[in-house]
Amino acid sequence: DVKVTQSSRYLVKRTGEKVFLECVQDMDHENMFWYRQDPGLGLRLIYFSYDVKMKEKGDIPEGYSVSREKKERFSLILESASTNQTSMYLCASSRTAYGYTFGSGTRLTVV
Amino acid sequence: AQKVTQAQTEISVVEKEDVTLDCVYETRDTTYYLFWYKQPPSGELVFLIRRNSFDEQNEISGRYSWNFQKSTSSFNFTITASQVVDSAVYFCALSGASGSARQLTFGSGTQLTVLP
Repeated sequence: DVKVTQSSRYLVKRTGEKVFLECVQDMDHENMFWYRQDPGLGLRLIYFSYDVKMKEKGDIPEGYSVSREKKERFSLILESASTNQTSMYLCASSRTAYGYTFGSGTRLTVV
Repeated sequence: AQKVTQAQTEISVVEKEDVTLDCVYETRDTTYYLFWYKQPPSGELVFLIRRNSFDEQNEISGRYSWNFQKSTSSFNFTITASQVVDSAVYFCALSGASGSARQLTFGSGTQLTVLP
């Protein structure tokens, strides 16, 4: 069964901490994405990557960075976590524009 | 730039009623794809349907049907004879065919509550 795996389902971090959210896919997909979901705002794209070491900013990249050193892994980094980054984070991957697979999400709370 | 608008924030119906969720999109691409996803309380996104911009045929799958109209840039979703298990947040989404348009752009979602 093909899969996108996010390393943590729930995470609690302190303000100012550096936070890593990991996402791994086993489908050999070129494209990977990080979204943030907040009530009433839907899913908003933070960053995406369509090849190893390639990255592009999405709609809300401020306060985040990403790393893609291997095709199967796409990491989201919060350099200095803040309370307004408390949210649900969803990772996705795709081979083409019409086949997206989502992970089950990481609910991050910054206190 | 791509944009998806779901004007209905919340809808509440009684079981067995029909309900239509609206979706309006904007894109400058000639080739694009439209999606509907369901997000039940468990939080996982469940893929429901994908349509490409060249296929305006309506689709029916059991109690679900979709009406794609390019002339009005709409891709509406109807649930017939709704059931309590249909209660969820429903997202409409849009992607282009290449380059940075490959990102999936979501609407803000419609919370559907089906009451017994």
